[in-house]
Amino acid sequence: DAGITQSPRYKITETGRQVTLMCHQTWSHSYMFWYRQDLGHGLRLIYYSAAADITDKGEVPDGYVVSRSKTENFPLTLESATRSQTSVYFCAPRSEQVPSYEQYFGPGTRLTVT
Amino acid sequence: QKEVEQNSGPLSVPEGAIASLNCTYSDRGSQSFFWYRQYSGKSPELIMFIYSNGDKEDGRFTAQLNKASQYVSLLIRDSQPSDSATYLCAVRQSSGYSTLTFGKGTMLLVSP
Repeated sequence: DAGITQSPRYKITETGRQVTLMCHQTWSHSYMFWYRQDLGHGLRLIYYSAAADITDKGEVPDGYVVSRSKTENFPLTLESATRSQTSVYFCAPRSEQVPSYEQYFGPGTRLTVT
Repeated sequence: QKEVEQNSGPLSVPEGAIASLNCTYSDRGSQSFFWYRQYSGKSPELIMFIYSNGDKEDGRFTAQLNKASQYVSLLIRDSQPSDSATYLCAVRQSSGYSTLTFGKGTMLLVSP
């Protein structure tokens, strides 16, 4: 969906390196979410944001940092990548349309940490 | 920890049959329930949401909700091989910023 873009789509990095995953929405949804998806664990929430400059931790925030200076962008940074952070990462803006509050997923970034 | 449980499957059905996917949740205050479909290597795609007890139909899909039993299901009628995917149940939490909690998904295989 052109409304959500994630970059890069694929990334290989080495243990200890910093890497930033980008997420951009063409809408103006206030809420945005970062998930990781791993076999056996399903989708797990890393961080989310209710608006520009408002962020909060999800279920698995350790080792990650987020920022949100503009409504449309929500980058996720791995400060010092570890092999356990090898995963597929999805960004998901959420509509505030009642009652559905539909949440849409970007195409994902497949990250491999060697 | 608020939980959403799904059978991992795979659930195998022949083409044309009804596929029934089930989900239970622990947060009794949850208000909205979602079904996502995820093809292998792709991102989850929202196919249904439901927030009132009973049935909600959309084409070949029917979502069913029973809040008293904390149970939500998805029926797919006239299953097609193209329905083969993993189906994720998600529950919107009643507290905080109303984040979604996902089940681990049920893999559906529809054989021709």
